[in-house]
This record gives sequence, structure tokens and C-alpha cells, in this order.
Amino acid sequence: AQTVTQSQPEMSVQEAETVTLSCTYDTSENNYYLFWYKQPPSRQMILVIRQEAYKQQNATENRFSVNFQKAAKSFSLKISDSQLGDTAMYFCAFMPPNSGYALNFGKGTSLLVTP
Amino acid sequence: GAVVSQHPSRVICKSGTSVKIECRSLDFQATTMFWYRQFPKQSLMLMATSNEGSKATYEQGVEKDKFLINHASLTLSTLTVTSAHPEDSSFYICSVQGDHINEQFFGPGTRLTVL
Repeated sequence: AQTVTQSQPEMSVQEAETVTLSCTYDTSENNYYLFWYKQPPSRQMILVIRQEAYKQQNATENRFSVNFQKAAKSFSLKISDSQLGDTAMYFCAFMPPNSGYALNFGKGTSLLVTP
Repeated sequence: GAVVSQHPSRVICKSGTSVKIECRSLDFQATTMFWYRQFPKQSLMLMATSNEGSKATYEQGVEKDKFLINHASLTLSTLTVTSAHPEDSSFYICSVQGDHINEQFFGPGTRLTVL
């Protein structure tokens, strides 16, 4: 079974600063997909960024980037120039290749961006 | 991406009654849909995978006779919580599998409260 670990239950960052959320996972698979989802107070799940394990290049989406270390099974999310609207729960998720596309979520990190 | 709706957004029911939650893919024909459950301050836990025209696949520990899933069309999946009890109170979220393996679109969720 695959497990996803987010070791930071809560984090805080000041507006305009940079913050990194950590995520590690455990799998014996070689090809898989990794995701970061944001869940604001509205509870709507929003895809932030995704990474295919076979791609060595780290994914980037505007202010969001990942540090994907396949050998270490680490997939951290860096948020640059943090904005108040980034305040939310952030979930790291893992999709193994033969799961029928179901996502396995970590427990989440609650991020608070302060003025 | 696909637009996914859920109805109702909130429901309160008495213990022992059944509640039906609808998940609709508004602009995409979804072969596969997923149902997740999220307890307060916790992560999303996959309940079942719903494939159009076939029986749903339930995760271990999820009672298929209690959580009835029907995926009768490519745009609609329903989750019926039968004989609901207070411990079934939770946030239920559906998602739709997109064309690509790494695409999954989430509905806004349904908050169920069983009195």
C-alpha cells in the first residue's frame, strides 16, 4: 500500500514571503503521478500542480513549484510571493499506475498567510 | 477542465433515514467517478470508484450495502447513504476522471449532518 506523509500540520508565512510544504511518499512503483491540491475554506478542491514521476524536470505553475526527489520519494511544494488568498489546506496526493486513477491523499498542511 | 456539480450542497436528516447525493459532470462524459469522504480537519478518504454501467468498487472498510453507488450514465453518479447514523455525518466529495490519466476534477462537496 502506498502512504503519503505530510509532516507539517500547520504552517504560517507572511505575505510576499516564500514557504515550502513537505511531502514524502512510500511506493515500490516506478511510474506514478504526484499532485498538490489546495482546499480553501469553501472546501472546493483545486489542483495546484502535478508531476509525472518519469519526468525529471520539476513542475512549475506561476508562483508554485515543486522539488521532486524521486530517489528520496520527496515531493515538496514551494509557494513564492505568498498571497492572502493562498491561505488554505494543502494536500499532497499520489496516484499509482494501476489504481484506476484513484488518489491517495496525505493528511494535509494548513497554511496561513498573514499580512 | 470538467465542471462537476453536487446536489445537495448541505443536507440534514434524521437518524435511520436514507439520503441521496448526486454528482454530475456538466460538460464531460465521465466513464469513471470517485467518491471521497472527509471528516472535520482530516484528509479525503476514497470510499469507492464508480464506473459507468458497472458495479462500483469499494475500498476496504466501506460497507457497500450502506453506501449505495449508482453510475447509470456518463454524466451522473449517485451516492445513497442508507439508514444514516450520526457517525455518517461528514463531507462527501465526488470527482470525475478526465481524458488524461493525471486529470481529476472535483465537485464542491456535500455536507451531511445526521441528527
